[in-house]
Amino acid sequence: DSGVTQTPKHLITATGQRVTLRCSPRSGDLSVYWYQQSLDQGLQFLIQYYNGEERAKGNILERFSAQQFPDLHSELNLSSLELGDSALYFCASSVRDRGTYEQYFGPGTRLTVT
Amino acid sequence: GQSLEQPSEVTAVEGAIVQINCTYQTSGFYGLSWYQQHDGGAPTFLSYNALDGLEETGRFSSFLSRSDSYGYLLLQELQMKDSASYFCAVRSRPEGGGSYIPTFGRGTSLIVHP
Repeated sequence: DSGVTQTPKHLITATGQRVTLRCSPRSGDLSVYWYQQSLDQGLQFLIQYYNGEERAKGNILERFSAQQFPDLHSELNLSSLELGDSALYFCASSVRDRGTYEQYFGPGTRLTVT
Repeated sequence: GQSLEQPSEVTAVEGAIVQINCTYQTSGFYGLSWYQQHDGGAPTFLSYNALDGLEETGRFSSFLSRSDSYGYLLLQELQMKDSASYFCAVRSRPEGGGSYIPTFGRGTSLIVHP
């Protein structure tokens, strides 16, 4: 158990819909990272927040947005969903902004768009 | 730009030693990380090399050569439970500039046979 929690574990929804994925980092960790993992694309970095502020942005679609709240939990919002958005979405946390060093990953949310 | 190359699959037998290589091209290199991911599970942090040389942690070791832009993960006394995907990762700056982002390789599937 990494100490990072993600909800929900599974999500099935239809094209065009909007969903919100939630992540609570390990106690004391200030950085939250969001990743998308699909079979043909590997682990793709989406966005990072550090202590409430956006720190880095990867190949995140304009239909996707995220935020980190004062209690440091984070939400990833996916809208106008398409079939291709079906994937595993992970969040990870770390103490500081240290790149890929010692990130702790949550169990993931499996999103299926039908 | 940035890229990481690692073999897609490696097979070995229980008790053997296996080496998973990773070559990278990135600007502003800070260090090379390795993560393990079992099927359906979350990636877990294994090791991090910022300086040249070998880092040993139990049965796993990781090596880095900054001058060759190359690293490897060495797994000794292989066990069936080591069957998983292994990802190398760096922090890199995308083409066109911007913030440093985590970039993961596409992963190496290690299959351990009895």
